[in-house]
Amino acid sequence: DAMVIQNPRYQVTQFGKPVTLSCSQTLNHNVMYWYQQKSSQAPKLLFHYYDKDFNNEADTPDNFQSRRPNTSFCFLDIRSPGLGDAAMYLCATAQGTGDYNEQFFGPGTRLTVL
Amino acid sequence: GQNIDQPTEMTATEGAIVQINCTYQTSGFNGLFWYQQHAGEAPTFLSYNVLDGLEEKGRFSSFLSRSKGYSYLLLKELQMKDSASYLCAVRDSNYQLIWGAGTKLIIKP
Repeated sequence: DAMVIQNPRYQVTQFGKPVTLSCSQTLNHNVMYWYQQKSSQAPKLLFHYYDKDFNNEADTPDNFQSRRPNTSFCFLDIRSPGLGDAAMYLCATAQGTGDYNEQFFGPGTRLTVL
Repeated sequence: GQNIDQPTEMTATEGAIVQINCTYQTSGFNGLFWYQQHAGEAPTFLSYNVLDGLEEKGRFSSFLSRSKGYSYLLLKELQMKDSASYLCAVRDSNYQLIWGAGTKLIIKP
């Protein structure tokens, strides 16, 4: 089945210790998104790739970086996690951005910062 | 600024009908989505409205009025498994999704 896969599902890191979250997709979609979602809050878009073009949201902290080495994979790097970065991180994909383009979400990675 | 408003929490009874409202103020409009999100899981797509009116899909229906900046999600014949958060999201003029915080729906037997 075509899907969006995120690894790991649960990640524990220490304050200030770099961490990388990964996302892969078998849908061959050209757009990939990274969202941060805290409990009972709306998903917050961090950045997205349209093909290889990187689009950073204006309020995404510099602490968050992303890489997309190919169509299938996208990584979220948190260089120095703080306690406030504990959240669910959701990866989503879509084919294009116009018209009817639903986003398909992965299961998420829940990040705990100790 | 851009804003999506939904009730924080609603309670309904198994077998009943519930309507979850969403009002929005966005810079432009290119469609409205409803997603279901179970606790600790990713959102899953429920419906899409871009024209005014009602879209029906099984037990779920979604309505849109663009002139009023208003949508609702109607859930019929509620089942216990419908207990989840329901997120309203609007695609703005830049084709970015603006998300509401979600409505937590609690179903009681």
